[in-house]
Amino acid sequence: GQQLNQSPQSMFIQEGEDVSMNCTSSSIFNTWLWYKQDPGEGPVLLIALYKAGELTSNGRLTAQFGITRKDSFLNISASIPSDVGIYFCAGQRSNFGNEKLTFGTGTRLTIIP
Amino acid sequence: DTAVSQTPKYLVTQMGNDKSIKCEQNLGHDTMYWYKQDSKKFLKIMFSYNNKELIINETVPNRFSPKSPDKAHLNLHINSLELGDSAVYFCASSPRGTGIYGYTFGSGTRLTVV
Repeated sequence: GQQLNQSPQSMFIQEGEDVSMNCTSSSIFNTWLWYKQDPGEGPVLLIALYKAGELTSNGRLTAQFGITRKDSFLNISASIPSDVGIYFCAGQRSNFGNEKLTFGTGTRLTIIP
Repeated sequence: DTAVSQTPKYLVTQMGNDKSIKCEQNLGHDTMYWYKQDSKKFLKIMFSYNNKELIINETVPNRFSPKSPDKAHLNLHINSLELGDSAVYFCASSPRGTGIYGYTFGSGTRLTVV
């Protein structure tokens, strides 16, 4: 099955730095979602995007729905220790129906002390 | 109150055994899912049930059999466990069978086959 490609695969940053990651697809998606997974837990929804070009914030997190509808971006400003985890993008091609979400390959964020 | 709860959290068993994982959601969602997360953290859908009806069945060995007694419960039974079945299994739910509002995931069941 199709997977969404996330970049980078992993990031090592210092506390206080800003973070950028992206998610790309070879086909169009009409819904983009970003999740975070903490160790030993399930993924938790951070941000949902429904319109090409849309920019949505959730605290220090900002995500964008790419204009081509084939990509999405997530930025985290002024990172803090609790930002550590794996970030997944997810997409759905249609805006309705019993279509499953396709998940990305994940970006693992580590904060260096 | 946990929205999507799975039991057990950890399961260690020998090859060839049969085991079950249970999932319950109290969100009133219509659709429930089983996902498998491998050691590389890839999340792969296995099954989806909408109001007790199977709607997605990805290429999964028939040793895996889901059962949904009602829309709030989705269990996963695995026969003749193999080493390659070791993974974290996540249950999830969504309203009205669509992912556009996101899925709510349980905290996972880590299955280790020895």
